[in-house]
Amino acid sequence: GAVVSQHPSRVICKSGTSVKIECRSLDFQATTMFWYRQFPKQSLMLMATSNEGSKATYEQGVEKDKFLINHASLTLSTLTVTSAHPEDSSFYICSARGGADSGNTIYFGEGSWLTVV
Amino acid sequence: GEDVEQSLFLSVREGDSSVINCTYTDSSSTYLYWYKQEPGAGLQLLTYIFSNMDMKQDQRLTVLLNKKDKHLSLRIADTQTGDSAIYFCAVRNAGNMLTFGGGTRLMVKP
Repeated sequence: GAVVSQHPSRVICKSGTSVKIECRSLDFQATTMFWYRQFPKQSLMLMATSNEGSKATYEQGVEKDKFLINHASLTLSTLTVTSAHPEDSSFYICSARGGADSGNTIYFGEGSWLTVV
Repeated sequence: GEDVEQSLFLSVREGDSSVINCTYTDSSSTYLYWYKQEPGAGLQLLTYIFSNMDMKQDQRLTVLLNKKDKHLSLRIADTQTGDSAIYFCAVRNAGNMLTFGGGTRLMVKP
């Protein structure tokens, strides 16, 4: 079945640095990818929707200059957390929407644990 | 916007059936999903149902959709300890936006 790969699965970075998380659709082309954030014991919060070749659409309250999203190809989207701070520590999950042949199903990556120290 | 609600917690004994419920508000919902999240892991798609279906069965999983009441349920037959996890329902509307419920923590006791 369709697989979405997310990398890295765990990352620790120093406060003030930037960190990039990659989301790849491995066996299908994803025109639309989504980035979510999950705080401990809470549900997923949609951060942004990215369409290949165009700018991401950010949800209200999400800083677009802090969370840079790039969707340069049909199989890759990246989320860069710039000037990370400890409060950015969270679980980030991407998802990608498959085509009509898969019922336009949305598949999720494994998630990335970000710890900012 | 869409509101998706789930009960927080469900406890069952091994071998019993589990029923996890979900309600939503947007009548234009197209696809409805159930995801499983084990501790420290991402989301695993369990099953999905299209809005013009009432029921979908997949091995031990049965999804029921009552579109009139905007109620979705996931039944797990013969629940095992390995089924202990958080289960999220998610609803996709006509604008292709996905909204998640808060998740139901299923605990299976031996």
